[in-house]
Amino acid sequence: DGGITQSPKYLFRKEGQNVTLSCEQNLNHDAMYWYRQDPGQGLRLIYYSQIVNDFQKGDIAEGYSVSREKKESFPLTVTSAQKNPTAFYLCASRGPGQLNEQYFGPGTRLTVT
Amino acid sequence: AQKVTQAQTEISVVEKEDVTLDCVYETRDTTYYLFWYKQPPSGELVFLIRRNSFDEQNEISGRYSWNFQKSTSSFNFTITASQVVDSAVYFCALSEVSGGYNKLIFGAGTRLAVHP
Repeated sequence: DGGITQSPKYLFRKEGQNVTLSCEQNLNHDAMYWYRQDPGQGLRLIYYSQIVNDFQKGDIAEGYSVSREKKESFPLTVTSAQKNPTAFYLCASRGPGQLNEQYFGPGTRLTVT
Repeated sequence: AQKVTQAQTEISVVEKEDVTLDCVYETRDTTYYLFWYKQPPSGELVFLIRRNSFDEQNEISGRYSWNFQKSTSSFNFTITASQVVDSAVYFCALSEVSGGYNKLIFGAGTRLAVHP
């Protein structure tokens, strides 16, 4: 089945540790996105990538880093510099055409203590 | 600046009631798309509809309908005869193309609770 996978569903880390969230898609989409969602709030864009080896900062990129070495994969690293990393993280991809809809993965809930 | 406002934070209805979720947007673009997504308790966002700025025709899909009015910059979503399975957070979103990059601007979401 085509889709977007994010693993794991729940992730727990100690403060001061970097952690990498996985996002893989087999939809052959060029564009991929990372969002953060806090309780009771909407989605905020962290990073996005239009094609392989290209990515742009979104609205809240500080404390995060990404790579896009393969079309299928867009991992997000939450660094120790991110002051409040506990949140729900959603990955999405978009098919060809500038104004097409984005499709979302199931999300990863990260808890940092 | 591009902006999407969903003024209703939470709505509570009893099953079989009709309910309308409001969405108001601001954009400088002449060509744009609007979207609605559903986020059930599992967390994954489910795409519901895309509407382009040149098509103001209302759309109906089963119990769902959408009313796009450019004159008031609104794209409202109505669920007819609501069911418990409709309980979710609903997001309205607006496309933004800047510097050749495409992004979505999301509203804060409306939490809909449908009670039996």
